[in-house]
Amino acid sequence: DTGVSQDPRHKITKRGQNVTFRCDPISEHNRLYWYRQTLGQGPEFLTYFQNEAQLEKSRLLSDRFSAERPKGSFSTLEIQRTEQGDSAMYLCASSPRTSGRPTTSAAAYEQYFGPGTRLTVT
Amino acid sequence: DQQVKQNSPSLSVQEGRISILNCDYTNSMFDYFLWYKKYPAEGPTFLISISSIKDKNEDGRFTVFLNKSAKHLSLHIVPSQPGDSAVYFCAASEGEAQGGSEKLVFGKGTKLTVNP
Repeated sequence: DTGVSQDPRHKITKRGQNVTFRCDPISEHNRLYWYRQTLGQGPEFLTYFQNEAQLEKSRLLSDRFSAERPKGSFSTLEIQRTEQGDSAMYLCASSPRTSGRPTTSAAAYEQYFGPGTRLTVT
Repeated sequence: DQQVKQNSPSLSVQEGRISILNCDYTNSMFDYFLWYKKYPAEGPTFLISISSIKDKNEDGRFTVFLNKSAKHLSLHIVPSQPGDSAVYFCAASEGEAQGGSEKLVFGKGTKLTVNP
């Protein structure tokens, strides 16, 4: 299976602990995105990378959150000093999109999602 | 501030009938619209998309209609099948052409149940 994979699938942690999630995108996809989804809501954008460069960060991404994609392949999302409000599903997506290639095709903006990591902070 | 709104949390239809899922948006910079389907314990999967230069896109049983002046789009599923039962998300992107963001902005979703 060559889809987007995420690890772990589930994480339970105590308030104040640090957690790190990993995402492996589809091979050769340039773009990698992180989203967060809470109960009853749609996915909310956190950040995205073009290869190893972090191009955009949401205001949702507080100082306790950091994301990296050091070699332009897999990415990690770290949450420091977790709070109960961080409990959510963290989704990773990848896309073959590349900047500077204009398109009028909506399908070019398709993002392929992984199964997510469910974080529970107790 | 919800830029993408799906005002119906749930919809129930009979197998074989048409399902119509609606979506409204407020950001006039959105140029690309995508529908995703999500089963429990899985990530969203792409269904169909449309750009703002079109008003209709069809793929098999799925058709998306866009009314740009009303900032409204809808997804039609004909005929509906029990396997279509899932949560459907409407998503929008500004696209990078005019310096916009490529991130997807999602609605809250509509849970579709197709009864046999």
